[in-house]
Amino acid sequence: SAVISQKPSRDICQRGTSLTIQCQVDSQVTMMFWYRQQPGQSLTLIATANQGSEATYESGFVIDKFPISRPNLTFSTLTVSNMSPEDSSIYLCSVNGQDNYGYTFGSGTRLTVV
Amino acid sequence: EDQVTQSPEALRLQEGESSSLNCSYTVSGLRGLFWYRQDPGKGPEFLFTLYSAGEEKEKERLKATLTKKESFLHITAPKPEDSATYLCAVQASSASKIIFGSGTRLSIRP
Repeated sequence: SAVISQKPSRDICQRGTSLTIQCQVDSQVTMMFWYRQQPGQSLTLIATANQGSEATYESGFVIDKFPISRPNLTFSTLTVSNMSPEDSSIYLCSVNGQDNYGYTFGSGTRLTVV
Repeated sequence: EDQVTQSPEALRLQEGESSSLNCSYTVSGLRGLFWYRQDPGKGPEFLFTLYSAGEEKEKERLKATLTKKESFLHITAPKPEDSATYLCAVQASSASKIIFGSGTRLSIRP
């Protein structure tokens, strides 16, 4: 299965600022997925990122708040813009595995907004 | 609308006490049902994929089963290191994304 490197692993940010999270995969993948996991909650899909096209956002998430880049088949970034304390969450990227390996997840970025 | 419901929300067991976690789902054509384990501060770790009713998969003390409406994750003689949150997710046949349930927090006491 794919191996995902996600950076940073954690950060504490001031409200009103932006943070860009990077996700690097060790193999080429068509789709990459960005999730948010709020404290004590399960995973909620933010958007699906395809290389060469605009990301597809889920209901409740907008491009101005969570711009995504997908410059090639192994890399993607998610930016959390104009942050508020409500954005404090774990953000995870994911790719579809092959055969029976399911979807693989990065180790996550723990974001705290103060 | 596709939906995944997990129960119980939390489960505390004594070491060696077997039990089952439930995942009920509603989906417009099931492409796959996934079980993950998540430890605090880490991303979900893939356990199983089930594709059709009647299918079963095993890994160490864990066994996952699937019917047309639900999946069970059976834990046999659990150990403290099995303590984690177990997440269930489904993928509809027409979708590329997967939808997660709220998870079951499992705690195994020595």
